[in-house]
Amino acid sequence: DTGVSQDPRHKITKRGQNVTFRCDPISEHNRLYWYRQTLGQGPEFLTYFQNEAQLEKSRLLSDRFSAERPKGSFSTLEIQRTEQGDSAMYLCASSLEVSGRSHEQYFGPGTRLTVT
Amino acid sequence: DAKTTQPTSMDCAEGRAANLPCNHSTISGNEYVYWYRQIHSQGPQYIIHGLKNNETNEMASLIITEDRKSSTLILPHATLRDTAVYYCIVRVKAGTASKLTFGTGTRLQVTL
Repeated sequence: DTGVSQDPRHKITKRGQNVTFRCDPISEHNRLYWYRQTLGQGPEFLTYFQNEAQLEKSRLLSDRFSAERPKGSFSTLEIQRTEQGDSAMYLCASSLEVSGRSHEQYFGPGTRLTVT
Repeated sequence: DAKTTQPTSMDCAEGRAANLPCNHSTISGNEYVYWYRQIHSQGPQYIIHGLKNNETNEMASLIITEDRKSSTLILPHATLRDTAVYYCIVRVKAGTASKLTFGTGTRLQVTL
């Protein structure tokens, strides 16, 4: 257990439905990352937050995806109008950024999304 | 971030040392070498990182060549629980460019 938790662990939804995932990072970590991983591939970066500010978004993050970290603690990732291609493992990670230097990222167990 | 090249898969007998190579010939002077692993159905786990000196921690050792174009992760006494996909990543440590760019990694199978 790394201290990063994600909820739910598994989600099955029908195409066209909206889904929301939650990530609770390690409490003192000011950076939070979202990654997506499809079968047989390494994780791909989606977006990250420094406290509550979303500082970078990948081209993979289409306009159907939105992420928030309202109080600089937990984060949510919402996917609207899900498509079968959204089926993947969604991973959250957190790290501590101090004086411009980034420390190791600690990953949660992931949320596995299946769109039918 | 620099691109890395790793073998697709490797086998290792339990109790023996597992040596996982990584090529990163285009690494820049300010880029570190990081290793993560991912056990089936879990999130990636940080193992070790280094800049140019060899590093050792309780999990593994990292050997970086003098020209920094390649490195080797060493698990000194592999166990069945070390069966996982191992990712070699190079990235800068400072500033906003701290996202991890994963390749497809090396699938290490530890056998009895």
